[in-house]
Amino acid sequence: AQTVTQSQPEMSVQEAETVTLSCTYDTSESDYYLFWYKQPPSRQMILVIRQEAYKQQNATENRFSVNFQKAAKSFSLKISDSQLGDAAMYFCAYRSGNSGYALNFGKGTSLLVTP
Amino acid sequence: DTGVSQDPRHKITKRGQNVTFRCDPISEHNRLYWYRQTLGQGPEFLTYFQNEAQLEKSRLLSDRFSAERPKGSFSTLEIQRTEQGDSAMYLCASSRSTDTQYFGPGTRLTVL
Repeated sequence: AQTVTQSQPEMSVQEAETVTLSCTYDTSESDYYLFWYKQPPSRQMILVIRQEAYKQQNATENRFSVNFQKAAKSFSLKISDSQLGDAAMYFCAYRSGNSGYALNFGKGTSLLVTP
Repeated sequence: DTGVSQDPRHKITKRGQNVTFRCDPISEHNRLYWYRQTLGQGPEFLTYFQNEAQLEKSRLLSDRFSAERPKGSFSTLEIQRTEQGDSAMYLCASSRSTDTQYFGPGTRLTVL
């Protein structure tokens, strides 16, 4: 089974600064998808960004971008110009491209944004 | 889209009782997923449906758990003879085919 590792249980960033959240994964597959989800306190999980493994170009969504290093099996999330509303748990997730549709999640990184 | 909805949002029950949760997916999403999330952990996959067919079940889904999706619309997750270890947030998600999964707000279960 594929495993997803988020090595930073907690991170802190000041408003307007940039922060990078780390994620590594273990797989022998070549076709897969990677996701970052955000879960604010007591609120539902929201998709932040997704990356298809076959695409070399890193995905970007407004202030959120990823650094996808396929050979290193690394998928980090960069948040630019951090805002107070970015404070949340961030989960990295893996989904196989051809053997099931379950998302495998990491344990999450709690992001604190300070004024 | 009105989003994925789940009912109830909170459920407190006594050990040994049966509970049932409901999930209404985004309309026209043919895939529906159930996950369980315990405190401080990421969600863990339980099962998924394509239309009305239950196509995959995790080893986490013991015999006390059963899920249905009649007519390929809403889904129910039932837990029989609840145990304290069943206390968790139960999340439902839906998607179109292999597209991105969109999550509901979850049902928080507390077993006393």
